[in-house]
Amino acid sequence: GIQVEQSPPDLILQEGANSTLRCNFSDSVNNLQWFHQNPWGQLINLFYIPSGTKQNGRLSATTVATERYSLLYISSSQTTDSGVYFCAVGETSGSRLTFGEGTQLTVNP
Amino acid sequence: GAVVSQHPSWVICKSGTSVKIECRSLDFQATTMFWYRQFPKQSLMLMATSNEGSKATYEQGVEKDKFLINHASLTLSTLTVTSAHPEDSSFYICSARGPGSIYEQYFGPGTRLTVT
Repeated sequence: GIQVEQSPPDLILQEGANSTLRCNFSDSVNNLQWFHQNPWGQLINLFYIPSGTKQNGRLSATTVATERYSLLYISSSQTTDSGVYFCAVGETSGSRLTFGEGTQLTVNP
Repeated sequence: GAVVSQHPSWVICKSGTSVKIECRSLDFQATTMFWYRQFPKQSLMLMATSNEGSKATYEQGVEKDKFLINHASLTLSTLTVTSAHPEDSSFYICSARGPGSIYEQYFGPGTRLTVT
């Protein structure tokens, strides 16, 4: 099956800093989603981005499908941005999502 | 839009009993729903794909007789953990393909199961 690697595994920032999270995948995809898992476990949809670039407020994402990676940018980070960020991809051959191991982000005041 | 709910949010049960978890799409119809399991400090692992009106498709290594899935309507899928044991304690999360996209998934808030 498809392999998904996220980096870095852990990231500690001061409030106001910017950060870039990376997701590499091993095969062609028809789906790529970024999620934020809050402390209660809820997965919040950030982006559905199998290709191209999207922006939503302080967050933006870029997927370069031909090179099999995606980047999530967080600008002017806030303490509420803390949590685990997951990248999940869907192979072109099916509908299942495969999750990366996540990036644990901690934003300190 | 695209809201998915789960019930209960958490449940404690005794070893040997069965527990049913419900997953509902509140504002859209979902022909396909998915069930994931997440252990502490780990990622989500797909357990099974649930299709309305047909049998679920289980991932390799998931016991279909232990984790019974029923998708009887376009808005409801249920996961029943039968004869639960402490090693079944985990965070169970469902998702559904959202409206307007054949690929994007929306996730429920999860159910924390503790088996004593």
